[in-house]
Amino acid sequence: AQSVTQPDIHITVSEGASLELRCNYSYGATPYLFWYVQSPGQGLQLLLKYFSGDTLVQGIKGFEAEFKRSQSSFNLRKPSVHWSDAAEYFCAVGPYTGGFKTIFGAGTRLFVKA
Amino acid sequence: DVKVTQSSRYLVKRTGEKVFLECVQDMDHENMFWYRQDPGLGLRLIYFSYDVKMKEKGDIPEGYSVSREKKERFSLILESASTNQTSMYLCASSPTSGVTYEQYFGPGTRLTVT
Repeated sequence: AQSVTQPDIHITVSEGASLELRCNYSYGATPYLFWYVQSPGQGLQLLLKYFSGDTLVQGIKGFEAEFKRSQSSFNLRKPSVHWSDAAEYFCAVGPYTGGFKTIFGAGTRLFVKA
Repeated sequence: DVKVTQSSRYLVKRTGEKVFLECVQDMDHENMFWYRQDPGLGLRLIYFSYDVKMKEKGDIPEGYSVSREKKERFSLILESASTNQTSMYLCASSPTSGVTYEQYFGPGTRLTVT
């Protein structure tokens, strides 16, 4: 069955430090992979997506993610975190069970300390 | 920019009341989704619709129904609200043409049932 695992419920990073959020998926074929961000009190916004081709994808706000098929992973990275990056981050994979549905991970909440 | 709006940001209802959550998107997207978001559980799909008057159950449809009479509007209905339906509800839309499975989210409705 398709699934998405985000092993870290929350992470604390100092401002200016690098960030890596982990995502592992279980999927029978080549998946479409996404990272979304949810700032407090807001809906989800797409950070980046991977469909095919170059396994290192660039997104908005200075984020990037790398697809590693052998590890079934799609980890999100940022070289230098800003206080405004404090939010909840969701990894997602699709489609599943046909149609246009995607399945979301449980989320990782990022705290940024000064 | 795609805009998805939800009728209320915060809603407080009593047990047993009938509750309507409205969602409107302005990008002529064929697909619309209702999710429920709870801490530690991520987003869980309640229902989705891929066309006017068409709907399919998601992973947790019990206690909910939906209506899609116009392409831009997708309503979630709680026939008889219960306290375990206290949650954040997120609406999303996505296009069928140029399929990427990327979803566009509204700001969410935080529903409290007392």
